[in-house]
Order: sequence, then C-alpha cells, then structure tokens
Amino acid sequence: DGGITQSPKYLFRKEGQNVTLSCEQNLNHDAMYWYRQDPGQGLRLIYYSQIVNDFQKGDIAEGYSVSREKKESFPLTVTSAQKNPTAFYLCASSRLRGLSFQETQYFGPGTRLLVL
Amino acid sequence: QQQVKQSPQSLIVQKGGISIINCAYENTAFDYFPWYQQFPGKGPALLIAIRPDVSEKKEGRFTISFNKSAKQFSLHIMDSQPGDSATYFCAGGGADGLTFGKGTHLIIQP
Repeated sequence: DGGITQSPKYLFRKEGQNVTLSCEQNLNHDAMYWYRQDPGQGLRLIYYSQIVNDFQKGDIAEGYSVSREKKESFPLTVTSAQKNPTAFYLCASSRLRGLSFQETQYFGPGTRLLVL
Repeated sequence: QQQVKQSPQSLIVQKGGISIINCAYENTAFDYFPWYQQFPGKGPALLIAIRPDVSEKKEGRFTISFNKSAKQFSLHIMDSQPGDSATYFCAGGGADGLTFGKGTHLIIQP
C-alpha cells in the first residue's frame, strides 16, 4: 500500500518545548516537502529536500528544522523559537525530473499541532 | 515576491451548476499548474494539472483553462455535485516547488 504517512495525527506542545513531526513515504520519491496550513492562508512552504542529506529553506523556515538521513523519511522539528506553531502541517513528496521540471506532489494526511 | 492570487475566497453553487475558480500568477518561470482538492481534516489531493504549452485540459467534469499571455488559469467544474463541496487550491510550480493560492471554499447546495 504505497503512500505518505504522517504521525501523529494530533500533537500537543507545551511552552518552550520542541516537538517532532514524522513523515515517511514508500513511493521512492526523491523530493520531500513540508507545508504549513493556516485558515485562509493556503499552504506555505517550510522546507524541502531533493536529495538525502540536503535540504533547502522555504518561505517560512524560521523556528523549524528538518533532517533527511534516509530517502523515505523527512521529519520536521518545531522548535521553541516558533512562537505561533498552532497549524495543520502537511508533508508531500514528488519525483524529480531535472532541477527545473516540477512533478506532481502527493500529500500525506497531515498533523494538527496545538499549543497547551 | 512570487504569488498566486486565487478568487473567489468562497463560492456557493446550486447542484448541477458550473463552478468557476480563477487564479493569476506572477512568476513566468512556472511550468506546471495543478489544482488540488481538500476535504476537512485531510491532505490535499491532486485533481487536475496543466502545463503552459496547452490552453485547455479536460478530465471528466473538471476542466482547466489556461491563458499564458494573461498569466491566468481557471478551474471549471461542470454539473457540480454536493460531493464536490471542498476547498480547492491552485498552484504554480517551478524549480523550488509549488506556490499555492489561498484556496476557495466551495459549497454545492442540493
């Protein structure tokens, strides 16, 4: 059963705490992405990675960190520096065809992060 | 700043009618224009996509119209059904990934 899995479905963060959101894909995709979704704001890119051990900042990377140690996994850490972390977080993946040709991105089911 | 402007923000259509959502983009380097459908609490799912070398693409009840010179594209949903009620996002795709519009909340009234 191929696809993208995200866990947990809901996550609660206390003040000053770092939390990590998991994203795994078994689609053999090279590229992976993290987006943040807020009501009325669409999806905003946090980080993306086109190859293992390499990743790039998106539009709203401040307060977040990522790693890409395996092709299948791209975890996102929401650090205590992110002052407004409450949002719906979406992970996506895609194939790559060169560096300028956009392939379809497939999304996971999302993780909703709430602050206690 | 790379932007994709989407309108309207919300739309109510009667069952059987035509739903039309419009998007305009600024970045002429975009080479891929997908539309995603999202139901509450779920991740977005690709609905239909177009490349700038064609002006129209149709898949079932869903059609994308693309105007490269105006830098605009639109989604038409024919014979709209209550099951089409969802949030729709357009996007422009380039080397750094997708830039999304802010979404249209579509309600199909039975």
